[in-house]
Amino acid sequence: EIVMTQSPATLSVSPGERATLSCRATQSVSTNLAWYQQKPGQAPRLLIYGASTRATGIPARFSGSGSGTEFTLTISSLQSEDFAVYYCQQDNKWPLTFGGGTKVEIK
Amino acid sequence: EVQLVESGGDLVQAGGSLSLSCAASGFTFNAYSMTWVRQAPGKGLEWISYISSVSTTIYYADSVKGRFTISRDNAKNSLYLQMNSLRADDTAVYYCAKRAWGEGGPFDFWGQGTLVTVSS
Repeated sequence: EIVMTQSPATLSVSPGERATLSCRATQSVSTNLAWYQQKPGQAPRLLIYGASTRATGIPARFSGSGSGTEFTLTISSLQSEDFAVYYCQQDNKWPLTFGGGTKVEIK
Repeated sequence: EVQLVESGGDLVQAGGSLSLSCAASGFTFNAYSMTWVRQAPGKGLEWISYISSVSTTIYYADSVKGRFTISRDNAKNSLYLQMNSLRADDTAVYYCAKRAWGEGGPFDFWGQGTLVTVSS
């Protein structure tokens, strides 16, 4: 099983600042990596797929990068609605696996 | 508009059974694979089962293999999860999700989830 590790577990950021979230896989997943945003009481929402392609309707302040085992989600200027938990997920190999999540909170 | 609506969540005793449903609309259901993902209270996301568009390929996470059964009825635009031998650690919100590109891709649409609580 491919284990996905996200860091940090919690990220405290002020509105308007940049946030950088990391995701590491225990073996290469190529670019078969997605990022999801989840707010309390809501279902996850797809942000990024293919490691770097924004999903429909996702603002340009969200960007993804990386390949192989190291990935990054960057939020260029945090808005109030961006404070949430973010998960990475690999769909390169069964079983599909998620990272443990990074909570982005207001500093 | 794509909609996925789960139902069937309930409080059940350990060792019991429960059946979840997911009603799909707004897309050609029989052209897309589907999956179940769960989230224990205060925890992260866990993929638990996958079914291809015409049910020819099915996968399960080790944590539910042999106890849960995924199925679909394309005529009814519905996805199901039969859960047997339930344990306390099966307590979670269960989401159905659509894969973006037929048989693969990320999960581009999710239902709102249905809560399963297993009491010991």
